[in-house]
This record gives sequence, C-alpha cells and structure tokens, in this order.
Amino acid sequence: ETGVTQSPTHLIKTRGQQVTLRCSSQSGHNTVSWYQQALGQGPQFIFQYYREEENGRGNFPPRFSGLQFPNYSSELNVNALELDDSALYLCASSLLETVLDNEQFFGPGTRLTVL
Amino acid sequence: DAKTTQPTSMDCAEGRAANLPCNHSTISGNEYVYWYRQIHSQGPQYIIHGLKNNETNEMASLIITEDRKSSTLILPHATLRDTAVYYCIVRVPGGGSNYKLTFGKGTLLTVNP
Repeated sequence: ETGVTQSPTHLIKTRGQQVTLRCSSQSGHNTVSWYQQALGQGPQFIFQYYREEENGRGNFPPRFSGLQFPNYSSELNVNALELDDSALYLCASSLLETVLDNEQFFGPGTRLTVL
Repeated sequence: DAKTTQPTSMDCAEGRAANLPCNHSTISGNEYVYWYRQIHSQGPQYIIHGLKNNETNEMASLIITEDRKSSTLILPHATLRDTAVYYCIVRVPGGGSNYKLTFGKGTLLTVNP
C-alpha cells in the first residue's frame, strides 16, 4: 500500500465523451504525475503538477488536462475521447523539495475503456 | 533521458537469487539508475536507485559497473510474489521535465516454484 488512491477503478466511455479521473496523493506529498499505460507497454508520462501548477508535460495533446488542488489531490481530464485513449491511467505522488527528489509512489490506476 | 536495454523475460527458481541486467551505455554523468517493478494489475513500485556506488535496501541490491554503462538488480531470495515486470530507468532527478520516469517495456521476471 502506497497511500495513493485513484477513482474510479474501472470506467467505460464512448468515443467523443469526456472523462475525469481522480487521484488522492500520499499525505504530505506536493507533487503528482499522471501516466498512461497501454496494454503491453510501459507507462508514458502525461504531465506533472507541483503545488497546483503544471510543471512538466509529455507528448500528449491539449485535450489531456489536469488540476491539482490545495490538498494536493488531483484530477486528469480527457476531452473528445478516442479509441486509442483506452489504457490504464496511473498517478504518482512525491515530495519534491530539492533537486534530488524522492521516490514516486504510484496508485493502483484507473482502467479506461473507450468504445 | 538515456535509453536502456533489458531482456524481455527471465525465469528464476523460488529461493534463488534473481539477477536482472540492464544496459545503459549512453548514460550521462548526472543520471541515476532507478528500478521499479509492476506486479500484474497494480501500479509500479519503486525498488532502488543509485548513481555510481552499489546500493542495498530491504528489497534488493543494485550493482553498477565502474563505467556506469550497465547495472544489475539483485533480488537475493526470490519468492513467487516477486513475479512482475521490472523496469530499469535512467534519469536526472528533479522537478519539471526531469520529473518524468521514461519506462521501456521492462523484463518480465517469472519466479517458479
């Protein structure tokens, strides 16, 4: 158990819809990252939030957006869903204080299926 | 981040040491070697990381060659619960774009009874 929780566990949407996934960071952590993991692949970095500001982004289109709240919980929003968005979505939290950041703690993920 | 090369799969007998290799021949001087694992249907789990000295914790040992172009993760007494995909990642620690972990496909370690 990492103390990082995600909801929902599973979700089914249809193409063109919008989805919001949620992540609750481990207590005391100020940084959260989101990853997308397609079947059979390693996780791919979407973006990072540090103290409520986006602080790094991977190669994902603008329809992937996020929020981090004052209590450091986080949301991932995906608009105009496409079939290829079907994947496991992971969030990871960490305490970023110095250049030598600490380990990242991953949640169990949300399995999104787009039909 | 430097790219890594890992075998696609490995087998290990329960109770024996599992030695997982990783090549990172283009690693830069300020890049660390990280290991994560992902048990089926779970999120990745941090195992260990190091710069150039060998490291050991309660889960594993990390051996980094002197030229830093390769490393080995050692699970000293593998159990069935160690069956997972193991990812070797090299990166510069820090925030912003440095924060991301760049995962490859990893090594599927299967521990057999």
